[in-house]
This record gives sequence, structure tokens and C-alpha cells, in this order.
Amino acid sequence: EVHLVESGGALVQPGGSLRLSCRVSGFDFSSRWMSWVRQAPGKGLEWVGNIKRDGSDKYYSGSVKGRFTISRDNAKNSLYLQMDSLIVDDTAVYYCAKEFGDPGFDAWGQGTLVTVSS
Amino acid sequence: DIQMTQSPSSLSASVGDRITITCRASQDIGNYLVWYQQKSGKAPKLLISNASSLQNGVPSRFRGSGSGTEFSLSISSLQPEDFATYYCQQADRFPYTFGQGTKLEN
Repeated sequence: EVHLVESGGALVQPGGSLRLSCRVSGFDFSSRWMSWVRQAPGKGLEWVGNIKRDGSDKYYSGSVKGRFTISRDNAKNSLYLQMDSLIVDDTAVYYCAKEFGDPGFDAWGQGTLVTVSS
Repeated sequence: DIQMTQSPSSLSASVGDRITITCRASQDIGNYLVWYQQKSGKAPKLLISNASSLQNGVPSRFRGSGSGTEFSLSISSLQPEDFATYYCQQADRFPYTFGQGTKLEN
């Protein structure tokens, strides 16, 4: 069974940094692109970015480009999101999501809450 | 970026009704359109990929259609468990973008 478990969410001050992790099991992690998707309280879904199977390519939304960095460790079946220069608008539940052969995300974690506030 | 516009933003319906949600892309995305269902406090669930491919385990009352810039999600006979928020997403090019969501209420 496929499992994705995020961790690392916390309360952080504006301008601060935070690193989220996503540990996966139940599928061949190294063969799948992975994404981060966030959802601000009471709002819709926003794609944050993704990373290629071997980590050689990464893409980001304009709202986080230059501040967030996605990485992965295939030996540890883990995905990461380094968030720097956090702003209040980054407050959201952050989900890691598995991309599959067809368009879309066919597996999601339960999400981890990041709150940016002074 | 490709803008995705869903309509309506909210929809009131009853068990047994047939409903349709529309999603419009700001440019041609072929059939790279995905539909999700999200229930309160839960992660989204993939319903339909490639505009019309029903995912394993999704009831056949769900149907996706369209291509290019106009897409729709239909539910033929609403069941109690279908009341949720639905999102479309384009997967044609980066950055991926979602519609704003359609809240289906009883």
C-alpha cells in the first residue's frame, strides 16, 4: 500500500526558514516525479513545485521560486521542501504528492501545517 | 501561466440529481486535464486523468469530457458521499495550475 507522510510543519516568524520532509513507502520512489502542493486555510489548491525522478530537474511556481527548494534522497525514500524567506502568505497545509504515468497526482500525504506569523 | 477557471464556484444539489461542473483553460491544454475530489480536512483524491480516464475504484457515475480549453465533470446520480469540493488541474505545462474549486452542497 502506498503511503506518504509529511512532517516538519510548525509556527515560524516572517523571514524565517523551515524544512518539510515527506517519507514514502509502497512504491518505487526513484521512478516517480514528486510534487509539493499547498492549501491556505479555507482556500484552494496551489502547486508549489516538483522534482524529477533523479533530482536533476526541478520546477517551481512563481510565488515560491527563489525562496523554496525541493530535493529528494532516493536511498531514504524521502522528499524535502526547504522554505526560506517565509512570508505570511505561505501559511498553508503542505502536501507531498506522487505523480504517475498519466497526468495528475494519484497519491497524497495527509499534509503538514505551516503557519507564518509574528 | 495557464489560468484555470471553474464554474460554478458552488452548487446546491440533492441526492439523485445529475450535475455538471465546467473548467476552462486560458490556452489549449489538449487533454492534459485532471479532476480531484476533496472532502473537508482530507487530502484530494484523483478522480479523472487525461480529461476522461476514470481512475480505478472511482464509480462510473463520474464522467469527464472535453479537450483543448473546455472541460466538464458530470456526476450522473449524486450519492451522499459525493458532496465535496471538486478541483480541475492542468498538467500540460509548468507551473501546474488548479481551478479555484467547486463546492458541491446538499
